[in-house]
Amino acid sequence: GDSVTQMEGPVTLSEEAFLTINCTYTATGYPSLFWYVQYPGEGLQLLLKATKADDKGSNKGFEATYRKETTSFHLEKGSVQVSDSAVYFCALSDHSRDMRFGAGTRLTVKP
Amino acid sequence: DADVTQTPRNRITKTGKRIMLECSQTKGHDRMYWYRQDPGLGLRLIYYSFDVKDINKGEISDGYSVSRQAQAKFSLSLESAIPNQTALYFCATASSGEGTEAFFGQGTRLTVV
Repeated sequence: GDSVTQMEGPVTLSEEAFLTINCTYTATGYPSLFWYVQYPGEGLQLLLKATKADDKGSNKGFEATYRKETTSFHLEKGSVQVSDSAVYFCALSDHSRDMRFGAGTRLTVKP
Repeated sequence: DADVTQTPRNRITKTGKRIMLECSQTKGHDRMYWYRQDPGLGLRLIYYSFDVKDINKGEISDGYSVSRQAQAKFSLSLESAIPNQTALYFCATASSGEGTEAFFGQGTRLTVV
């Protein structure tokens, strides 16, 4: 079945450092890909998405590109802030089936 | 009011007890999901429903049951709770169609003692 594998972390960075969180997927069809973020004590919320190959999703300085050839959707940010500290989940969805999530990566950004 | 509301937010129950977690949504979405979150395991799908008459098992449905009472309501039951069902449970909704995002409730923290 469809699945998502992401770098588990935890990841600790200093403010203004560059962030990469790796995500690869396995799917039989052509899924949509997502990154969700979970702040402490809250549910998940959408960070960005891409629905087809070579699409780039972006939001709040984060971006990820849907790479069909490498089945990847890595999350990047050029300069992280303390407020970016959260757990990040990569996910895929085939609209005819369910949604699957990765294990989550905890990011801590230190001043 | 939140788009997706889960009740209760926290619950402690004893082994062997039956417990129901409730979820309601105001988004008008057809699709509803129940996930559990465990440290290091991410979110695992328990059950999902694409409409009131369509219920599907997810990755880890054993020990759980669900009821879709209406388009807006989707409840999760633990018929006889056991300690390894201690987890954070999330309800989510989504509209049908390609690339639609999921909207999550704030979660129910369940502890089985």
